[in-house]
Amino acid sequence: DSGVTQTPKHLITATGQRVTLRCSPRSGDLSVYWYQQSLDQGLQFLIQYYNGEERAKGNILERFSAQQFPDLHSELNLSSLELGDSALYFCASSPSGGGRTDTQYFGPGTRLTVL
Amino acid sequence: AQSVTQLGSHVSVSEGALVLLRCNYSSSVPPYLFWYVQYPNQGLQLLLKYTSAATLVKGINGFEAEFKKSETSFHLTKPSAHMSDAAEYFCAATNFGNEKLTFGTGTRLTIIP
Repeated sequence: DSGVTQTPKHLITATGQRVTLRCSPRSGDLSVYWYQQSLDQGLQFLIQYYNGEERAKGNILERFSAQQFPDLHSELNLSSLELGDSALYFCASSPSGGGRTDTQYFGPGTRLTVL
Repeated sequence: AQSVTQLGSHVSVSEGALVLLRCNYSSSVPPYLFWYVQYPNQGLQLLLKYTSAATLVKGINGFEAEFKKSETSFHLTKPSAHMSDAAEYFCAATNFGNEKLTFGTGTRLTIIP
């Protein structure tokens, strides 16, 4: 158990809908990262938040957005869902903003199925 | 741009045999390197990491990896495979100041009884 929690574990929805994925980082960690794992794209970095502020952005679609709240939990919002958005979405947390001593610890993931 | 290449999407070894999973990185600056393991229907678990201290890194579950700058490699090994090692293994890299992890495509390890 990494100490990172994600809810829900599974999510099934229809095209065009909007969903919210939630992540609680390990106690004391300030950074939260979101990754998408799909069969065709592999593991792709989406976005990082550090202490409430966006820190780094990866291959995140404009239909997707994220935020980190004062209690440091984070939410990833996916809107206008398409079939291709079906994937496993991981959240990871780390103690600080990066650097060689920082390790990212991953949650169990949320499996999103878009029908 | 940094990239990570894992040679062999599937590797099968007999129980008790040597495990060797290959990872090469492409970076103008020596990166920080990680191996993660993903068991079925689970998240990623850190096996070990290289952060420019010792070039031979020991991790959990008997795994180790050696950073070879001349070969731009960070191969993962275990002397004797166990049935519980069956999983998918990901090599990943990051550079200081660029916190995102860049992952390889993964290697699925199968252990033959």
